[in-house]
Amino acid sequence: DTGVSQDPRHKITKRGQNVTFRCDPISEHNRLYWYRQTLGQGPEFLTYFQNEAQLEKSRLLSDRFSAERPKGSFSTLEIQRTEQGDSAMYLCASSHTLELNEQFFGPGTRLTVL
Amino acid sequence: TQLLEQSPQFLSIQEGENLTVYCNSSSVFSSLQWYRQEPGEGPVLLVTVVTGGEVKKLKRLTFQFGDARKDSSLHITAAQPGDTGLYLCAGATERSYDKVIFGPGTSLSVIP
Repeated sequence: DTGVSQDPRHKITKRGQNVTFRCDPISEHNRLYWYRQTLGQGPEFLTYFQNEAQLEKSRLLSDRFSAERPKGSFSTLEIQRTEQGDSAMYLCASSHTLELNEQFFGPGTRLTVL
Repeated sequence: TQLLEQSPQFLSIQEGENLTVYCNSSSVFSSLQWYRQEPGEGPVLLVTVVTGGEVKKLKRLTFQFGDARKDSSLHITAAQPGDTGLYLCAGATERSYDKVIFGPGTSLSVIP
C-alpha cells in the first residue's frame, strides 16, 4: 500500500510532556499538510510544506508546535509541553502541485492529554 | 468566522431516501473538493469540481459547483447505510490557492 501513513495511531500523554508524530506521504507528492481535527469539526489547517520548505503556518498555532520535513520526504510534528486542549486527531495529507489541491489523508494520530 | 459553511450540520434518514447537503461561502474558489470521513479515519476524496456550473456524478452521488464558484451541493440518491459518515467540503480560494480550507462537515446517518 503506497498511501499516506501516520505513526502512532494513538498517543496518550500527561500534561506537560512532549510528543512527536510522524507522517510518511505518498512518495511522488511534493506537498504535505498537517491538520488538527476535534470532534464534530472539519480539519483545521496547521501548516504545510512544499518539498522541504515550510510555506505557511497557521496563526492559531502556538510556538509549542513545530513541524519539519527534512529532505522533503517524511514529516514530523512536535508538540512541546502538551496541554489538555491539545487533545485532538492530528491528520497528515499529501498532494501534488499539479493536482488541483486534491489531498490524500493518512489515518490520523489520536492524541489524548491527561 | 467560517470561510466555508455546510448545512445541515446533522442529517438522519432512512435507507432509500434522497438527500442534499450544501456548502456555501462568500469567497470564490478555484477548486472545491468533497470528502467523506468515517469515525477514527482520515477523510477520503470523493470528487473535485473546478468550473462554475459543473456537475459530476459518482454512482448515486451528484456534485454541483455553483455558477459563481462560491457554493456547491452534494445529492445522494437512494441512500444506503454505507453512505453514513461526515461529508466535508474543502477548497482553495483564488487569493490563497495553495491553502485548502475545510468546512465543518455534515454528519450523515443512514438508518437501515
